[in-house]
Amino acid sequence: ILNVEQSPQSLHVQEGDSTNFTCSFPSSNFYALHWYRWETAKSPEALFVMTLNGDEKKKGRISATLNTKEGYSYLYIKGSQPEDSATYLCALSGTYKYIFGTGTRLKVLA
Amino acid sequence: NAGVTQTPKFQVLKTGQSMTLQCAQDMNHNSMYWYRQDPGMGLRLIYYSASEGTTDKGEVPNGYNVSRLNKREFSLRLESAAPSQTSVYFCASRLDRAVYGYTFGSGTRLTVV
Repeated sequence: ILNVEQSPQSLHVQEGDSTNFTCSFPSSNFYALHWYRWETAKSPEALFVMTLNGDEKKKGRISATLNTKEGYSYLYIKGSQPEDSATYLCALSGTYKYIFGTGTRLKVLA
Repeated sequence: NAGVTQTPKFQVLKTGQSMTLQCAQDMNHNSMYWYRQDPGMGLRLIYYSASEGTTDKGEVPNGYNVSRLNKREFSLRLESAAPSQTSVYFCASRLDRAVYGYTFGSGTRLTVV
């Protein structure tokens, strides 16, 4: 059974701080790695998908990197804002199925 | 608007009652999924359907049945609800390659008392 681990489980940062969190996965059986942003009382929304070792993606103040050889991905948020408060999920995907991590819950304090 | 439509948004059931959660997508996706989300557990796959006419069990299928009525619709049925099925349920769909992400419905908050 594939396991996708995310750390930390939760964190609080001050507005303006930069932060990052980790998604770890088995380096074998890799097809694609997805990041989602999930606000409370809403449904998850796709942020990035990465497939190649060394991939880097960026959307505004949020960016992500991928290392398939060692089995991890980092998500970075630069200059956190209160509206960044959400749970950030990563998922390892195959043709039909995903394996989701349990998420990192971010709270940005004003 | 294109997307995944999920109904109802909220439901309270008594133990032993049955209900069906409806899901429809208009993006011509082959694959559709039902997940449940519980605190500290993340998203767990209940059932999925890779194409019209096929369904497969996921991680936590016990107590549920599904029907892929056509390409658009994928329903989840609780035949005899139990308090352990209190959860938030999400339907999702996507194209059939690993690089494609999910489009999620807005969720159903189900409470079984």
